[in-house]
Order: sequence, then structure tokens, then C-alpha cells
Amino acid sequence: EIVLTQSPATLSVSPGERATLSCRASQTVSSNLAWYQQKPGQAPRLLIYGASTRATGIPARFSGSGSGTEFTLTISSLQSEDFAVYYCQQNNKWPLWTFGQGTKLEIK
Amino acid sequence: QVQLQESGPGLVKPSQTLSLTCTVSGGSSSTDGHYWVWIRQRPGKGLECLGYISYSGSTYYHPSLESRLSISVDTSKNQFSLKLRSVTAADTAIYYCSLTTITTGWFDPWGQGTPVIVSS
Repeated sequence: EIVLTQSPATLSVSPGERATLSCRASQTVSSNLAWYQQKPGQAPRLLIYGASTRATGIPARFSGSGSGTEFTLTISSLQSEDFAVYYCQQNNKWPLWTFGQGTKLEIK
Repeated sequence: QVQLQESGPGLVKPSQTLSLTCTVSGGSSSTDGHYWVWIRQRPGKGLECLGYISYSGSTYYHPSLESRLSISVDTSKNQFSLKLRSVTAADTAIYYCSLTTITTGWFDPWGQGTPVIVSS
């Protein structure tokens, strides 16, 4: 099983600032990585797929980068609605998909 | 666009069978290339893919659940279902249905989720 380790577990950032979230894979997943946002009481929402492609309707302040085992989700200027939990997910080994344990982005 | 909605009992007794249904709207459960997935989120834990049923009826179950899990589809009702047998408190979770395809492997969209508590 491919293990995804997200860091930090909790990130405190002020509105308007940049947030950088990391996801590390235990073995290479090429660019087969997605990011999701989950707000309290809601289902996860797809943000990024293929490591760097924004899903439909996702604002340009969200960007993804990386390949192999190291990935980053960057939110360039945090809005109030961006404070949530973020998960990465690998789809390199069908159907042995796995998720990271999540990073909680909170208001500083 | 496809929308998904889970339904089922919120409370199940230990050792019984958990049955959930996901209703597909805005699309067809028999669409070529579509894989209908069940994912759960246990309290304080991350997201866990349980298994899928494909547009052609093939299934996959996570090895840890293979002996207890079955997923089926009813194309006439545009629904797919999960049955998890012999549940324990460890199966308490929010259960989500979602969609992936053979060419993607990511999950979009998701149902709103249905909470299930296993307790006597």
C-alpha cells in the first residue's frame, strides 16, 4: 500500500496570506495525485488532479505542484472560505487508492 | 452533471448487516467507463476506499473488507448499493458514494455522506 504523509497536521495562517501544504508518498506515484477540500459537515470536494490541474470551478488561487513522491498544494491568498481540511489522494495503483491523513488549515 | 445521494439506516446493531444505497441523478449508472465507489470516514480517521462496482458490473473490494463487503448495481433504478456484513463498532463512520473512471482515478462528485453508528 502506498502511504501518503501530509504535513503539517495543522497549519495556522492569516487571511490574505499564502498557505503551503505538503504531501509525501512512500513510493513514486508519478503525477497521479489529487487534492480535496473538506469543510465541516460536508463531503470532500475535488480541487486538483494530475498533481497540478484545477478541477472545474476551482479558483486560480489554488495550485498544485510536484511529481514522484513530493507534492505541494498552495493557496496564494487565503479567503475565509478556504479554512478547511485538505487531503491528498494517489491514484497511481488502480484500485489501491489511498488518502493522506489530512492537513487542517485554520485561521491564525 | 452527475449528482449522488446516499440513503440508509443511521443505526445498525453489532453483528448485523449494514445496507446503504446511492442514487445517481444527472447520469446513468451504466455509463461506459464509470466506476461507482464507496468511501468511508471513521471518527478521527482519514478517508478509506471500500470498493467499487463498474459500469459493466465488475467489482473490487478492499482486501481488509473482502469477506464482509458486497456492492451491487440496479440500473433500472439508477442506484448502486453496499452491504457490509457482521458489523462492529469499528464500522461506525460516515459513508460516501462517489464516481471515478478508468482514465482518471480521482473521485468526483461525492454524495453528501450518510452517518452510520454501530451500537446495540
